[in-house]
Amino acid sequence: AQSVTQLGSHVSVSEGALVLLRCNYSSSVPPYLFWYVQYPNQGLQLLLKYTTGATLVKGINGFEAEFKKSETSFHLTKPSAHMSDAAEYFCAVSDEAARQLTFGSGTQLTVLP
Amino acid sequence: GAGVSQTPSNKVTEKGKYVELRCDPISGHTALYWYRQSLGQGPEFLIYFQGTGAADDSGLPNDRFFAVRPEGSVSTLKIQRTERGDSAVYLCASSLTGTSTDTQYFGPGTRLTVL
Repeated sequence: AQSVTQLGSHVSVSEGALVLLRCNYSSSVPPYLFWYVQYPNQGLQLLLKYTTGATLVKGINGFEAEFKKSETSFHLTKPSAHMSDAAEYFCAVSDEAARQLTFGSGTQLTVLP
Repeated sequence: GAGVSQTPSNKVTEKGKYVELRCDPISGHTALYWYRQSLGQGPEFLIYFQGTGAADDSGLPNDRFFAVRPEGSVSTLKIQRTERGDSAVYLCASSLTGTSTDTQYFGPGTRLTVL
């Protein structure tokens, strides 16, 4: 069975500061990893995904994430936070057999002026 | 183009009643997923369709929940004898091919409240 742990249900950063949202996964087979963002009253939107190949993945809005197999992690980063980044972020995992996504419990990002 | 749409956006019902939630996927997408998101939690998988057939319904919590996709496009999630614990946001997603690496596109959800 797969699982995802997101450390920190709430993260606050100052505008212009580094954003780091943590995600660790558990999977007995090679995982596919995803980060989604959810703005209030909107659907989940894909930020980026790792399937195979390069372990550093770049996504939309300046976000990137690095797949580290040895650490079973897929942390999301952005060098400089913007007010518009305030939202809830979800990490998710699937694999070749499981077509559905297994989500973490989410991290609410607050950006302070 | 149009994204995934869900109707209604909000549904309030009384305990014991029957409800239907509708999902219109992106045109041409063969795969359709239903998830349920409780307050403060991430979405949890309910059921996955490939075309008209339910390829995986292992996430349905009990036999009060049922979903159909008769023509391989629109899907309806049906909940019988609703309970207060069914209150949640029900999310629908679609993907082009249904492979594990394919991006799932989510609708805005239906917020169900059972009084």
